Amino acid sequence: RKEVEQDPGPFNVPEGATVAFNCTYSNSASQSFFWYRQDCRKEPKLLMSVYSSGNEDGRFTAQLNRASQYISLLIRDSKLSDSATYLCVVPGGNDYKLSFGAGTTVTVRA
Amino acid sequence: GAGVSQSPSNKVTEKGKDVELRCDPISGHTALYWYRQSLGQGLEFLIYFQGNSAPDKSGLPSDRFSAERTGGSVSTLTIQRTQQEDSAVYLCASSLVSVHGETQYFGPGTRLLVL
Repeated sequence: RKEVEQDPGPFNVPEGATVAFNCTYSNSASQSFFWYRQDCRKEPKLLMSVYSSGNEDGRFTAQLNRASQYISLLIRDSKLSDSATYLCVVPGGNDYKLSFGAGTTVTVRA
Repeated sequence: GAGVSQSPSNKVTEKGKDVELRCDPISGHTALYWYRQSLGQGLEFLIYFQGNSAPDKSGLPSDRFSAERTGGSVSTLTIQRTQQEDSAVYLCASSLVSVHGETQYFGPGTRLLVL
């Protein structure tokens, strides 16, 4: 089983819609989690950190389900600028290694 | 302030040649990471530097890959005798400290194509 697995998508949604997708992880000891955003041919950038049950930042909500070992990301009122690949990131086996999922692609259409 | 910079942005080379990729981390960041991202794949950890400690090289795919970090700042990733499967985007990231809660800031990457 991969350390981090994501539905690759793509999720094609109209502007204003809500889109949500999950990420499953295998390391049950992980305590912190991250969502990074990567635009086409650009570098990843941190979107949100998740340390407890969840986190909310504007239109973005991340939720953590430790029992089932998954993290979700929900985007409300989607904007065209939300079109990107969203990378789920989970700490690896030590203090500094991070395991990156392959990403979920979201395309918001006008 | 200046972010992480990498050079070259693109590199096309012939199979069997050596290439050197450079990373300038954010000033003051003690932790530096190299990753590789192949098309449609997640980021693959290659190597990690933290201050003057011995680097974690556990992610390097073969002995053709090596990396150095001079003076705790600039890092170079060298790939010897390149192979076509080395074609990928090589990303460098730095962070202030090496703990999970610390944001990793990525450079724009070097796109390597081995013909």
